[in-house]
Amino acid sequence: DIQMTQSPSTLSASVGDRVTITCRASQSVANWLAWFQQKSGKAPKLLIYKASILESGVPSRFSGSGSGTEFTLTISSLQPDDFATYYCQQYNNYLWTFGQGTKVELK
Amino acid sequence: QLQESGPGLVKPSQTLSLTCAVSGGTVNTNTYYWTWIRQSAGKGLEWIGRIYGTGSTMYNPSLKSRVTISLDTSKNQLSLNLTSVTAADTAVYYCARVFGAARDWGQGTLVAVSS
Repeated sequence: DIQMTQSPSTLSASVGDRVTITCRASQSVANWLAWFQQKSGKAPKLLIYKASILESGVPSRFSGSGSGTEFTLTISSLQPDDFATYYCQQYNNYLWTFGQGTKVELK
Repeated sequence: QLQESGPGLVKPSQTLSLTCAVSGGTVNTNTYYWTWIRQSAGKGLEWIGRIYGTGSTMYNPSLKSRVTISLDTSKNQLSLNLTSVTAADTAVYYCARVFGAARDWGQGTLVAVSS
């Protein structure tokens, strides 16, 4: 299995902050990497796919970068609606695997 | 557009059976495919398996001996069967439509395994 490791596990930030979450893969996944946002009691929501392509309807303050084994999700200016848990997921291999999640909380 | 349903409580050693009703498209399409994912406090998000419009399937090796995913084209839904369940199978189960990535998710259904 390809292991996905996110850091940090928890991130405390204020509205307006620039936020960066890192995801590392145990082996190369090329650019087959997605980012999801999940709020309590809700299903994950796709934000970014193929490492850097913004899903339709997702605010442009979200961006993704990276390839191979290291990826980042950046929120350029954190908004109140962005406090949530974020997951990376690789789909390079038929056996999809997810990171353990990064909770973005209010500082 | 995706709605999971099934019993919220299953006894250990029994079979967990869920359905996912699809609206806004047909399940036997070549445009996208379908997947089941579960989420538990202990293991986070775990991919269970996928099914294509042809009926072809792929499963997580850790669950392969116990899981079956199928399509019911008459009801436009997909199904998940997981046999010989234990407490470790307690989770929220999601179905999702995959077009490149898992774009559309159901709201999820919580299944507890307990006697």
